Amino acid sequence: QSALTQPPSASGSPGQSVTISCTGTSNDIGGYNYVSWYQQHPGKAPKLMIYEVTKRPSGVPDRFSGSKSGNTASLTVSGLQAEDEADYYCSSYAVSNNLGVFGTGTTVSVL
Amino acid sequence: QVQLQESGPGLVKPSETLALTCAVSGYSISRGYSWGWVRQPPGKGLEWIGSIDHSGPTYYNPSLRSRVTMSLDTSKNQFSLKVTSVTAADTAVYYCARRLATTAGDYWGQGTLVTVSS
Repeated sequence: QSALTQPPSASGSPGQSVTISCTGTSNDIGGYNYVSWYQQHPGKAPKLMIYEVTKRPSGVPDRFSGSKSGNTASLTVSGLQAEDEADYYCSSYAVSNNLGVFGTGTTVSVL
Repeated sequence: QVQLQESGPGLVKPSETLALTCAVSGYSISRGYSWGWVRQPPGKGLEWIGSIDHSGPTYYNPSLRSRVTMSLDTSKNQFSLKVTSVTAADTAVYYCARRLATTAGDYWGQGTLVTVSS
């Protein structure tokens, strides 16, 4: 099972929006609404930001939103803040291993 | 509040077995959910190693299946990971996590660095 494809980096100024894409196949993203997104600051554990494509866990700001079209999922961070600077990983259920697969990761910089 | 905490040796010799435990507090692992392990080599991305359901069934990453074993200890409310015949490629930060049915990990341990070196 290959990793899902994400752009290596993305950036935006404070207050702006940034969107990160995550591309898979019909055997993972395209076939199931089981996409999740994680935020990871250096030296810290991943934090769940979005699950089941669009749902936010309690405590996650509504500046974070998720969507999906075909085999590609997206995470949008609106109203960028300095603390949003981190690595972001997508993940999806994968029928090939019944376990899940992560994306390659995107580093978001707040300019 | 659900909390997870990994423990185990930080240094393992090549060809030996890596063994980690994840202690869970704030939730009984026998009640539900599945419980998983993720690793992250230094400077690289995340990889699911495997998961074990509260009722026992396991799912392992095909690339690691021949070397991985996971188990539950409900009496101690903890679950464990063993990886045999380790090499330098198994050097990574190992995280334990609670998994939703949709495979998302909603609670994570802080992670523990395991280095494979002689």
